[in-house]
Amino acid sequence: DAGVTQSPTHLIKTRGQQVTLRCSPISGHKSVSWYQQVLGQGPQFIFQYYEKEERGRGNFPDRFSARQFPNYSSELNVNALLLGDSALYLCASTRTGAAYEQYFGPGTRLTVT
Amino acid sequence: ELKVEQNPLFLSMQEGKNYTIYCNYSTTSDRLYWYRQDPGKSLESLFVLLSNGAVKQEGRLMASLDTKARLSTLHITAAVHDLSATYFCAVLQGAQKLVFGQGTRLTINP
Repeated sequence: DAGVTQSPTHLIKTRGQQVTLRCSPISGHKSVSWYQQVLGQGPQFIFQYYEKEERGRGNFPDRFSARQFPNYSSELNVNALLLGDSALYLCASTRTGAAYEQYFGPGTRLTVT
Repeated sequence: ELKVEQNPLFLSMQEGKNYTIYCNYSTTSDRLYWYRQDPGKSLESLFVLLSNGAVKQEGRLMASLDTKARLSTLHITAAVHDLSATYFCAVLQGAQKLVFGQGTRLTINP
């Protein structure tokens, strides 16, 4: 089975612009989470979606939004980009069950200039 | 608020030596995860620890969990260069999110 896929791989945007990042989970996984990883730090939780509903939100401003589609893929939108939004954005697909293991995609590297 | 702390943050060691990375967390959780990250890459799952006293081993890496002490360790035995990477522990908070430590950057020198 294919792993978690994300697009695009890299993205360069200008301050004030808007960006949409995409994620497709592992087949059969119904939950998707988004994380932001700034260089040199651990990933920070942004959102979790399960069955198209938001199940959790991290400490991020309202400029960040997300949604999940009927096929369980997801989009993360960031409006009014700031230089500090430059980071690796990771999508994780969750297999429910006792382990609640999250499988991470390759990430989207966003650079804001 | 759940906090996860790793130490050391940087570790430079020689091939063939043993060392341990420590992961402390501040509130009760019964699921702890270890991930590896190579430069510019995503996170690779290494271990999932589900209960007090859990121990898992894969090759030269062994992870353990003490939920009473809120401590997990990642032990490296007879290190080899290929193990050079950044290692993260993460603790599940509620049913939604992983809270990560700062990461331990491990460099193994010949």
